[in-house]
Amino acid sequence: QQQVKQSPQSLIVQKGGISIINCAYENTAFDYFPWYQQFPGKGPALLIAIRPDVSEKKEGRFTISFNKSAKQFSLHIMDSQPGDSATYFCAALQGAQKLVFGQGTRLTINP
Amino acid sequence: DGGITQSPKYLFRKEGQNVTLSCEQNLNHDAMYWYRQDPGQGLRLIYYSQIVNDFQKGDIAEGYSVSREKKESFPLTVTSAQKNPTAFYLCASSPVGQLAKNIQYFGAGTRLSVL
Repeated sequence: QQQVKQSPQSLIVQKGGISIINCAYENTAFDYFPWYQQFPGKGPALLIAIRPDVSEKKEGRFTISFNKSAKQFSLHIMDSQPGDSATYFCAALQGAQKLVFGQGTRLTINP
Repeated sequence: DGGITQSPKYLFRKEGQNVTLSCEQNLNHDAMYWYRQDPGQGLRLIYYSQIVNDFQKGDIAEGYSVSREKKESFPLTVTSAQKNPTAFYLCASSPVGQLAKNIQYFGAGTRLSVL
């Protein structure tokens, strides 16, 4: 019940296209859902986050869509650029508890 | 320059040896965490600490030990009992509290390999 399932494992998108990464969870007590971006050999960095009382949050080209009833949330990257090529992790947090991470998605944007 | 500093960047362990990974933060965060990352896998929690002199086991604590004597420091020891220590180790910190987002900020990681 503490798991967050992330898909796909890897994704290849053409430059200018839309990248979509999906996550699903079971624990309805999770109350904060961040996304992290990680470049090779570096630590993850917070990209964007959402609370379950909001259905969508947009920051520049990055949008989180949240479906509370389906217990699913997704990251959309509009106008994908080669510099967006990285591994993306979704995560879920319950109160002051530890973060639970998805398995990660390796995104490649072809020029 | 605020942030989380992990050292060393690369570390090699011999058979039967204990090694210690350093993590220091100057963000004044109360909570600190250690994660292990294997190729193609997500981050798995090893240990975390929400206050000085207290820490909790994560999902994969066996073969690891930690201490939290200072707010700024949370070193991780990979003991000889950890039979498969080769991985990328990430340290993180976060504020703690009802109003805080508890967002975790990560260091640049230490890559540990077995000789």
